[in-house]
Amino acid sequence: SQTIHQWPATLVQPVGSPLSLECTVEGTSNPNLYWYRQAAGRGLQLLFYSVGIGQISSEVPQNLSASRPQDRQFILSSKKLLLSDSGFYLCAWSKRGHGYTFGSGTRLTVV
Amino acid sequence: GENVEQHPSTLSVQEGDSAVIKCTYSDSASNYFPWYKQELGKRPQLIIDIRSNVGEKKDQRIAVTLNKTAKHFSLHITETQPEDSAVYFCAASIGTNAGKSTFGDGTTLTVKP
Repeated sequence: SQTIHQWPATLVQPVGSPLSLECTVEGTSNPNLYWYRQAAGRGLQLLFYSVGIGQISSEVPQNLSASRPQDRQFILSSKKLLLSDSGFYLCAWSKRGHGYTFGSGTRLTVV
Repeated sequence: GENVEQHPSTLSVQEGDSAVIKCTYSDSASNYFPWYKQELGKRPQLIIDIRSNVGEKKDQRIAVTLNKTAKHFSLHITETQPEDSAVYFCAASIGTNAGKSTFGDGTTLTVKP
């Protein structure tokens, strides 16, 4: 069966520090991968998606970036965090034309 | 791009009553409409979905209807139970290679015992 792992679960980082969140999927090949952010009490905002290794599409301009160095690995990064980067970050995977399976999420607080 | 609006933002019902959540979408090319349930502090989980070639789909106490002409779809929960309390999100996507979904802002459902 397919599983998705996301870490860390929680993170407190100072303003201006770097960020690296990692997501890996097991039990499937060539998945579509996504990074979403959920602000408190709000919906899910698509940040990045990838349909293959090295293929990254950005949905919103920001100081975040994403990379897909391996088929089942998706990384969200930032060189310098802003207060507005705080939120609940969710990685997800899907097969074409199907719903998402989300990771357990990372709660990021920028202080 | 696609825009999904979801109503109501909060919904409170008595245990055993029905709950209905409605969503509208803007892009007529959207053809896949999933619904997710997110319990407090947890990840969203897919509970039901519907494709544009189907008007209604049912899974036990949960059903989803789709009106392509009007570009709206709804989630129906019958015989609600306290464990149905959660935030529910609708989404819409075009079934292309990317499969990216646009989400509604969510409905907080509270089922009172």
